[in-house]
This record gives sequence, C-alpha cells and structure tokens, in this order.
Amino acid sequence: TQLLEQSPQFLSIQEGENLTVYCNSSSVFSSLQWYRQEPGEGPVLLVTVVTGGEVKKLKRLTFQFGDARKDSSLHITAAQPGDTGLYLCAGVHRDSGYALNFGKGTSLLVTP
Amino acid sequence: DADVTQTPRNRITKTGKRIMLECSQTKGHDRMYWYRQDPGLGLRLIYYSFDVKDINKGEISDGYSVSRQAQAKFSLSLESAIPNQTALYFCATSDLVSGSFNEQFFGPGTRLTVL
Repeated sequence: TQLLEQSPQFLSIQEGENLTVYCNSSSVFSSLQWYRQEPGEGPVLLVTVVTGGEVKKLKRLTFQFGDARKDSSLHITAAQPGDTGLYLCAGVHRDSGYALNFGKGTSLLVTP
Repeated sequence: DADVTQTPRNRITKTGKRIMLECSQTKGHDRMYWYRQDPGLGLRLIYYSFDVKDINKGEISDGYSVSRQAQAKFSLSLESAIPNQTALYFCATSDLVSGSFNEQFFGPGTRLTVL
C-alpha cells in the first residue's frame, strides 16, 4: 500500500483566515482526488487533478498537483464556517485497477 | 432519493455474532467498494468489485467477506464480529467509463459497534 501523508491532521482557524492542507507521497499517481466529508455523511468529491503542475480552482478553494505527480495541496482563501469538515486526499493508481488510497484526512474547524 | 444507500445506518452487536451490511445503488455503476473509517486512520479499502463476477480483496480484508448479488447490490459480512471491527463502514460506487479518474460516490455510512 502506497502511503499518503496529510498535514496538518487538525486545523482550527477563525473565519476569514487562509489555510493550506498538504498531501504527500513517495509514489507517483495517475491522478489525485480531494474529498470533503461532513459528520454523518460519506465523502463527496471536490476535484480530480491529473496533470503534473495542474492547478484547479473551485470558488475559494485552489488545488495544485505537484510537477512529479507525488503530492498535492489544497488552499482555502477567506475560510468560512461552512468550510468546516474532514478533507481527504486520495491517490489513484492505474496499475492497481484505479483503486483509491486515502490519506488520513485533515479535520478543519472554522469558527465565526 | 439517494443514489447509494446503506442498511442499516447503525448497528450494535456482540462479539461472535454474524453481521451483514448491505449496499444498493441506482447509479448504474459497475464498480462497488467497501471501506472502513476509523478516527485518525482515514478510509481503508476492504473489498472491491468491478462487476458481478469480479471481486477483489483490499488492504484489510481479513475477517470480512462480500457478495455481489447483482450489479446494484454489494453486501459486506462479518462472519464472527470482534470489538476491533467497531468502525464506520462506507460503500462506494464508480463508473467503469471514467477510468483513470475513478470518481467514487459514497453512501451515508453504517456505524457498527461490536461489544
């Protein structure tokens, strides 16, 4: 199993602050996905990045895939309480039938 | 209506009991997955199925078995439940066509407690 390390594990910030979550691995991925999970629900896909160096934006969220396709980051600008949740990165390996390997997640709390 | 449903949503059982968790999907996807989630450990893959006749072990299959009764149904069984199988269990589906992207759609989860 290829390991995906997410950092930080926990993050508590105030509304309006910026933050960055990191997802790192020693393995190369076919693509990398970011999911968001709210309490009592299953994860929901936010974005998939495929090309090394790719940057995708989803409103106040910016996702970047490393040039070597081994790492990724999620940056949130001006965080809002609605951003609170568990953020999970997941690497996709073509050689293992496109199965997902999940990181342990970053639990984000945004307080008003 | 939800595209991926899981039953039951919550279950408390005793050590040694046989438990079945069920998953149904209306998305028409070929691929289905079972994960467990433990605090601080993320999601770990138990079993996955690419079609009715193709079932594969995941990272942590020991103590679990699965059955793909139809394209839309994938059940997870704990033959003899033990306390360290207490966790949140998720079923997920994905579309064969999406290939390398493999976006997965998750059910709402089953919270299982083994006493």
